[in-house]
Amino acid sequence: GDSVTQMEGPVTLSEEAFLTINCTYTATGYPSLFWYVQYPGEGLQLLLKATKADDKGSNKGFEATYRKETTSFHLEKGSVQVSDSAVYFCAPHPGEKSSGDKLTFGTGTRLAVRP
Amino acid sequence: NAGVMQNPRHLVRRRGQEARLRCSPVKGHSHVYWYRQLPEEGLKFMVYLQKENIIDESGMPKERFSAEFPKEGPSILRIQQVVRGDSAAYFCASSPGTGGLNEQFFGPGTRLTVL
Repeated sequence: GDSVTQMEGPVTLSEEAFLTINCTYTATGYPSLFWYVQYPGEGLQLLLKATKADDKGSNKGFEATYRKETTSFHLEKGSVQVSDSAVYFCAPHPGEKSSGDKLTFGTGTRLAVRP
Repeated sequence: NAGVMQNPRHLVRRRGQEARLRCSPVKGHSHVYWYRQLPEEGLKFMVYLQKENIIDESGMPKERFSAEFPKEGPSILRIQQVVRGDSAAYFCASSPGTGGLNEQFFGPGTRLTVL
């Protein structure tokens, strides 16, 4: 089945620092890839996605590039803010030919940004 | 423009009682997913339902847990005879349907505490 390995947290950064959260996956077929974010006390929100190799998803200053050759989808942001403090989840989606849409989540990476 | 609604947001039960968690999907969405998040862990898929049908329950514990999504009304996740290990956040997500890349929209979760 599908699986995800994420960088362990917590990650603690100062405001305006550069962020990288690593994510590698194993999946059957040709998955699409998602990053979700969970702010304290809330559910998950889709942050960005990429549907095919070399696609770059981006949103709110975050970016991630779908690297099929390394099966990776690392999340990056050039300058983090305190409001980015949250837990970030990488998740492959089984794709169009799958019989179901269940998402496989990594363990999540907690990010804490200091003022 | 209501998103996924879950209630209650917090639920406290004593061991041996029943817990009923409700999820109202985004209007027009016919697919519902339940995930469980244990403390300090990622989300684990439990069950995927369409109206009046269970499509995939591969993540559901074999005993005490059941789910339904009736023709009318919310989806219900039911846990009978709760134990302390059931304490977790339970998230519901909905999507419009399979075929293509269907984003899942998550609710805020129900946090179950078993005393």
